[in-house]
Amino acid sequence: GDSVTQMEGPVTLSEEAFLTINCTYTATGYPSLFWYVQYPGEGLQLLLKATKADDKGSNKGFEATYRKETTSFHLEKGSVQVSDSAVYFCALSSWRNTNAGKSTFGDGTTLTVKP
Amino acid sequence: EAQVTQNPRYLITVTGKKLTVTCSQNMNHEYMSWYRQDPGLGLRQIYYSMNVEATDKGDVPEGYKVSRKEKRNFPLILESPSPNQTSLYFCASRNTGGRTDTQYFGPGTRLTVL
Repeated sequence: GDSVTQMEGPVTLSEEAFLTINCTYTATGYPSLFWYVQYPGEGLQLLLKATKADDKGSNKGFEATYRKETTSFHLEKGSVQVSDSAVYFCALSSWRNTNAGKSTFGDGTTLTVKP
Repeated sequence: EAQVTQNPRYLITVTGKKLTVTCSQNMNHEYMSWYRQDPGLGLRQIYYSMNVEATDKGDVPEGYKVSRKEKRNFPLILESPSPNQTSLYFCASRNTGGRTDTQYFGPGTRLTVL
């Protein structure tokens, strides 16, 4: 079945540092890829997405590029802020195969940014 | 305001006492889903529904039931809860239109089964 593997956390950075959270996936067909963010005590919010190979999703300074050749969707941000402290989830979903409708999430990576 | 609502937000119950967690969305989405979140395990999909009267098992459906009698509601039913169902539960609805594919999550229901 489909699977998503995320870089293990927790990750602690100083403000203005560069962030990379690695995400690789295994899936049949042509999945869409997502990054979600969860702030303390809240539900998940979509951060960015990419629906086909070589697409780049971006939002709030975060970026991720859908790399089919390496089956990866790494999350990056050039300069993190304290307010970026949260749990980040990589996820995929497929609509064109027998798993249509299923969503698969990674285990989540906790990011803490210190002033 | 577009939103997914869940009730209750917090629930403590005892083993074997049937319970229902309600979920409602106001975005006219066809697709809805339930997840559980456990430390170190991320989110795991319990059930999903592609449309009214169409439900399918996710990765961890054992011990749960769902129904989808109308588009806006997707209740999660635990007929005989057990302590291993203690978890944080999220309902989600989804706009599945190609590049607009976006999943919206409710605020979560924290369930404790004693």
